[in-house]
Amino acid sequence: KAGVTQTPRYLIKTRGQQVTLSCSPISGHRSVSWYQQTPGQGLQFLFEYFSETQRNKGNFPGRFSGRQFSNSRSEMNVSTLELGDSALYLCASSLEPGLKYDTIYFGEGSWLTVV
Amino acid sequence: AQKITQTQPGMFVQEKEAVTLDCTYDTSDQSYGLFWYKQPSSGEMIFLIYQGSYDEQNATEGRYSLNFQKARKSANLVISASQLGDSAMYFCAMREPLYNQGGKLIFGQGTELSVKP
Repeated sequence: KAGVTQTPRYLIKTRGQQVTLSCSPISGHRSVSWYQQTPGQGLQFLFEYFSETQRNKGNFPGRFSGRQFSNSRSEMNVSTLELGDSALYLCASSLEPGLKYDTIYFGEGSWLTVV
Repeated sequence: AQKITQTQPGMFVQEKEAVTLDCTYDTSDQSYGLFWYKQPSSGEMIFLIYQGSYDEQNATEGRYSLNFQKARKSANLVISASQLGDSAMYFCAMREPLYNQGGKLIFGQGTELSVKP
């Protein structure tokens, strides 16, 4: 059974550019969440999608957006990149939100460097 | 507000010995889930073990066990027979209350475990 797949694994962008990261959840999982990890702030929740709808959103500026497709794959986009957006972006998948014994699995992450 | 606290920034353990990583949490909800993840330097967040707040028995998964003390609001991870490959960052996390139907995880700051040969 394939795990959570994130692409690209590494990327370097220039300030002001935009970036799109992709996440394919585990087959059968319909809930996808995104997290940002930095040395200073630790792991912070970005947003969660289920059935193509954003169910929950973290405290991030509007430059951070996401979407989910009918096959449960998800993308997140960051526009007008800033140096502080340099981070590891992790995608997580689960069957659906709210299940009592639903385990949440993560991908390998996308390392974004903004120069 | 929910909060996860990991008070050990770094720990050392001798190979083949057991080690306990501490995690305390704060929540006013009765229904919640607790997770432990391992993150090697590659960045991947690897699921280790899960404990539901209503589970009466401590969770176990191979060499990993969770020492769940609900009254103390602690969920310590015990790794038995440490191996060199266990060297990594370990994160304790709590999921939002189930009635919120949320999948959002709140993470602690992590503990860096180093296993010595």
